[in-house]
Amino acid sequence: QSALTQPPSASGSPGQSVTISCTGTSSDVGAYNYVSWYQQYPGKAPKFLIYEVNKRPSGVPDRFSGSKSGNTASLTVSGLQAEDEADYYCCSYGGSNNLVFGGGTKLTVL
Amino acid sequence: QVQLVQSGSELKTPGAAVKVSCKASGYTFTNYAINWVRQAPGQGLEWMGWINTNTGDPRYAQGFTGRFVFSVDSSVSTTYLQISSLKAEDTAVYYCARKTRGTYYADYWGQGALVTVSS
Repeated sequence: QSALTQPPSASGSPGQSVTISCTGTSSDVGAYNYVSWYQQYPGKAPKFLIYEVNKRPSGVPDRFSGSKSGNTASLTVSGLQAEDEADYYCCSYGGSNNLVFGGGTKLTVL
Repeated sequence: QVQLVQSGSELKTPGAAVKVSCKASGYTFTNYAINWVRQAPGQGLEWMGWINTNTGDPRYAQGFTGRFVFSVDSSVSTTYLQISSLKAEDTAVYYCARKTRGTYYADYWGQGALVTVSS
């Protein structure tokens, strides 16, 4: 199963919104509403951010939102803050008890 | 509170084996599976598979069959990742992460265990 495709980088100024895309296929992202997103700071473990496309675990600010259209999922960070500068990874169920991650996107807050 | 605590860093020579542990606390261990995820230096996350902590049944991703073995000891709420015949390209941080049954995400993560393979 091939990795999902994410842009290597994204950026925005404080207060702005930025959207990170995650493109898969009709066998993974397009087939299931099991897309999740993770935030990772350098040298730290990933943190659970979004599950089942657009659901937020308790404690995750509502500035983070997820969506999906066809084979592409998206993570939107609204009201960008300096602390949002991190790497972001999408992940999708790919059938047959398999998961697949995206290559990751480095978000820079200008 | 839910915690996954992994064993420490390891330095191994090519051809050796390594066993990484992941000890869970703060929840009923056998109600959740454990994912294993690899992150090579400067690279992204790669799903290795998961293990059903109730039955011990593992599921391995493509590319992680043969030299990689997941196991569980529910008496101490711990899962293990063993890698044999280590190669330089196995150098990575290995994460364990909890998976709720019937779902496909990882909600709590261990701190990671760095395995370095070098002669």
